Amino acid sequence: KAGVTQTPRYLIKTRGQQVTLSCSPISGHRSVSWYQQTPGQGLQFLFEYFSETQRNKGNFPGRFSGRQFSNSRSEMNVSTLELGDSALYLCASSDSITYEQYFGPGTRLTVT
Amino acid sequence: DQQVKQNSPSLSVQEGRISILNCDYTNSMFDYFLWYKKYPAEGPTFLISISSIKDKNEDGRFTVFLNKSAKHLSLHIVPSQPGDSAVYFCAASATNFGNEKLTFGTGTRLTIIP
Repeated sequence: KAGVTQTPRYLIKTRGQQVTLSCSPISGHRSVSWYQQTPGQGLQFLFEYFSETQRNKGNFPGRFSGRQFSNSRSEMNVSTLELGDSALYLCASSDSITYEQYFGPGTRLTVT
Repeated sequence: DQQVKQNSPSLSVQEGRISILNCDYTNSMFDYFLWYKKYPAEGPTFLISISSIKDKNEDGRFTVFLNKSAKHLSLHIVPSQPGDSAVYFCAASATNFGNEKLTFGTGTRLTIIP
């Protein structure tokens, strides 16, 4: 089985712009979660989608949003980018039976 | 409030010896625990997990121990190999609430000395 894939792998944006990141889960996995990793805050949970519905949300501002499509692929959007949004954004998928989450390689976002 | 804590930022172990990584948690709702290994600029790789109904789970060189009364878990790697050098994260979730959110510790950098 192919693993979790994320596109793009690297992205450079300017403050005030918006960005959309994409994640394709492992085939058959219906749960997709997003995490942000920064040196200062570690790995922080953003949100989780299951069957196209947001099931859980972390403590991030409304500028961070996401969605999930019928094929379980997910997108994450960040609007009005700030310098502090520079981070590695990780997507993970799960079959929701074992509760084991498998991560993609991440998207490195740099905001200048 | 750090609900999952890894108090040792780094650990060095001789090749062939046992590596023991520790993790403490404060939230009694957590009922599922996982260990991940991470290299720089890559996503975490799942290693091993344990449910709160168990106190031990083994998978090859990796064993996870859970002490619920102490709210403590540990990962044992035996024997340690150079390829084990990485940052290790423990994570916890409260699956009873249909919750797949993982709360991560801050990580321990393991260095295996040849």
